[in-house]
Amino acid sequence: GAVVSQHPSWVICKSGTSVKIECRSLDFQATTMFWYRQFPKQSLMLMATSNEGSKATYEQGVEKDKFLINHASLTLSTLTVTSAHPEDSSFYICSARVGHSYEQYFGPGTRLTVT
Amino acid sequence: QKEVEQNSGPLSVPEGAIASLNCTYSDRGSQSFFWYRQYSGKSPELIMSIYSNGDKEDGRFTAQLNKASQYVSLLIRDSQPSDSATYLCAPSHSGGYQKVTFGTGTKLQVIP
Repeated sequence: GAVVSQHPSWVICKSGTSVKIECRSLDFQATTMFWYRQFPKQSLMLMATSNEGSKATYEQGVEKDKFLINHASLTLSTLTVTSAHPEDSSFYICSARVGHSYEQYFGPGTRLTVT
Repeated sequence: QKEVEQNSGPLSVPEGAIASLNCTYSDRGSQSFFWYRQYSGKSPELIMSIYSNGDKEDGRFTAQLNKASQYVSLLIRDSQPSDSATYLCAPSHSGGYQKVTFGTGTKLQVIP
């Protein structure tokens, strides 16, 4: 149980374009999903908390107009990186909470390369 | 002071030995504590959760929690080369935002 999928697993895009990443909970309903970014040899950095049916809560320093998050259903959250630039190249990982627990289950991640 | 502190390592142990990973945290309101394992290039995987002071055992893993000392640890018995990974400590955030705070992780190397 508690399986989270992400799509795509990797993507290469040109500078200035937008990229959408999907995060799905496959066998449970996730009222809360999280989006993280991880640069090489660094730890996870929480970008935003996404609650179904409401606006995402962004961490300090994360541009909400650049990283658009939509949690349209209890099993799907999307992250859109708008007007991507090479410095946005990173490993983006989503996670989902199970019930009211603080336990988070992670998707496999999406490796974004902006050229 | 960092919110969650872990020795970055690498911690090298021989195969079959006990690996001891330590973590201190600053948020006194943290009530839930998690250990995640992350292999290089992969996403984190939840391996242990602990909520009460004391020890919690699951297979070869034992988590230890001391809230008074704001300290949590993970012991891995009979370490295997497949245990070589980065281990992330993650206490819950008491600010009511349902999130946890990840440490920078300890890299464990199990030498065959």
